[in-house]
Amino acid sequence: SQQGEEDPQALSIQEGENATMNCSYKTSINNLQWYRQNSGRGLVHLILIRSNEREKHSGRLRVTLDTSKKSSSLLITASRAADTASYFCATDDGTASKLTFGTGTRLQVTL
Amino acid sequence: DADVTQTPRNRITKTGKRIMLECSQTKGHDRMYWYRQDPGLGLRLIYYSFDVKDINKGEISDGYSVSRQAQAKFSLSLESAIPNQTALYFCATSDYRRDTDTQYFGPGTRLTVL
Repeated sequence: SQQGEEDPQALSIQEGENATMNCSYKTSINNLQWYRQNSGRGLVHLILIRSNEREKHSGRLRVTLDTSKKSSSLLITASRAADTASYFCATDDGTASKLTFGTGTRLQVTL
Repeated sequence: DADVTQTPRNRITKTGKRIMLECSQTKGHDRMYWYRQDPGLGLRLIYYSFDVKDINKGEISDGYSVSRQAQAKFSLSLESAIPNQTALYFCATSDYRRDTDTQYFGPGTRLTVL
């Protein structure tokens, strides 16, 4: 079963706007990661946030984590057409080094 | 050169055939994983290996087997392929000592079972 559920399933915005996608999970985690997938390609790691962290930044990416609500959000600021991709959250529960992926958010950024 | 490679990239086969998907990595990572991706279902873990002698079943291992021939090679086999194994298959690696569970993915193999 999927640990993470992303919301929304699909998001369409214009270039320059911010994109926010959310991830909810079910069990306690050691860390939560966000990955990006261009159509039909392999996933690429974007950012990792540990369970004792509340916010993390990397370039135009901002990730927040609320362990009390078992949720995380990924914000992409000043989006570009090249940000068009699917974004997945993945959780690591710390018991074994394996990730459980969510179902993903498809982001479309138009010019 | 890509750090994680998968062969073949595309494969069409018939029901009942034995298929092997191969994964090689030059990252020197000890951990390797096989996932399948179906539309709307995200990635699901099939098998994972923490070293050559340590192989573990994932969420959906039925109908699949694996072989870790060396630290750098991890193969996935479908002993008797069936149509509902049509999917996109990904290999991934990680090095716990360095990146704490960050996984690095290959380009994927698109498998179609007729």
